[in-house]
Amino acid sequence: QLQLQESGPGLLKPSETLSLTCTVSGGSISSTNYFWGWIRQAPGKGLEWIGSIHYSGSTYYNSSLKSRVTISVDTSKNQFSLKLTSVTAADTAVYFCANMPGGDFWGQGTLVTVSS
Amino acid sequence: SSELTQDPAVSVALGQTVRITCQGDSLRSHYASWYQQKPGQAPLLVIYGENYRLSGIPDRFSGSTSGNTASLTITGAQAEDEAAYYCSSRDSSGSQLVVFGGGTKVTVL
Repeated sequence: QLQLQESGPGLLKPSETLSLTCTVSGGSISSTNYFWGWIRQAPGKGLEWIGSIHYSGSTYYNSSLKSRVTISVDTSKNQFSLKLTSVTAADTAVYFCANMPGGDFWGQGTLVTVSS
Repeated sequence: SSELTQDPAVSVALGQTVRITCQGDSLRSHYASWYQQKPGQAPLLVIYGENYRLSGIPDRFSGSTSGNTASLTITGAQAEDEAAYYCSSRDSSGSQLVVFGGGTKVTVL
């Protein structure tokens, strides 16, 4: 049973870069054909897919965020990461990692607040 | 990019049946996945593919698709089914792009 855990700073100032890491345990990130994704949920709002990556390095991004997003994978650490540049208050959200598409396995989510 | 449209809210009497719908062009070529989310929790996959339940999901949950509309049906709703439900599918472009519906809040009366 795969388990995912997000980690990273919970408070950022406007214009900073959001950096989060998702650690996968219970299996190898590169031994399955999963895509690994990031999803966020602003307070009181719905789910928004940010992007996904395959362990081979292929990436897919939400067109609305593509100019600010980079997702990378580190198979040696069984991790994948999210970078979102030039954050504003609108980027305040709970950020989840999950196998996406698929969606069987999710992290618990981590709240990132952008505030001056 | 594709969009998926859901009704914002629906209510159902305890033990009755409720159907939640999700409309979008991508559903003509890709099955919807359905997620249940309770406050403060991560989403839980309940239905995927043609009509498959994740292990442990009660059989009162079922899914179907017709044209550009996917449906999640809860037959005999229980109090613990009160939650937000989100549909999701791959983008109609056929890539690994993903789109979520806006979510439907189900209230069990």
